[in-house]
Amino acid sequence: RKEVEQDPGPFNVPEGATVAFNCTYSNSASQSFFWYRQDCRKEPKLLMSVYSSGNEDGRFTAQLNRASQYISLLIRDSKLSDSATYLCVVYSGAGSYQLTFGKGTKLSVIP
Amino acid sequence: DAGITQSPRHKVTETGTPVTLRCHQTENHRYMYWYRQDPGHGLRLIHYSYGVKDTDKGEVSDGYSVSRSKTEDFLLTLESATSSQTSVYFCAISESRKGVSGNTIYFGEGSWLTVV
Repeated sequence: RKEVEQDPGPFNVPEGATVAFNCTYSNSASQSFFWYRQDCRKEPKLLMSVYSSGNEDGRFTAQLNRASQYISLLIRDSKLSDSATYLCVVYSGAGSYQLTFGKGTKLSVIP
Repeated sequence: DAGITQSPRHKVTETGTPVTLRCHQTENHRYMYWYRQDPGHGLRLIHYSYGVKDTDKGEVSDGYSVSRSKTEDFLLTLESATSSQTSVYFCAISESRKGVSGNTIYFGEGSWLTVV
């Protein structure tokens, strides 16, 4: 089983739609979780951290389900500018030096 | 944007030649990383550094070496480039160990390397 798995998409949605991405991780000891956004031929940038209680930043909501080992990202009222690849990122905690990146889910918001 | 500069941004080189990619930061962050990103794979860690002259291997370190003689510079060297090393290389920095709550990892703009 791959460490961090995401549906690669693409997700093609109209402007104004709500879209949700899921990500599963295999290491139950994982401690920190993030969503990064990567535009075409650009570097990844942090979108938001994911907290156990769930967290919201404007139109974006992140959820963590430790029991089922998955993370979700919900985007409401999609904008054209939301078109990008969204990377799920997991940090395994003490003794582990690295973040593990999912391959990303591509989102295209259509006018 | 974080002050990270990668050079060169684009390079085409021949198989068997040495190549050095440079990452320069102005943030005085302790940790620096080199990743590669390929279609069908997530970002994969090549090497990282936790201080001047302190480096360690990542998951895909074969064929690569690194050096960090100053806080601000982290060099990635391909001793003898192969076609399998054609990729996009991202440098990244963080103040602390990656993923620790409150600390963010910032990426440079990437270096596109083609080995022919």
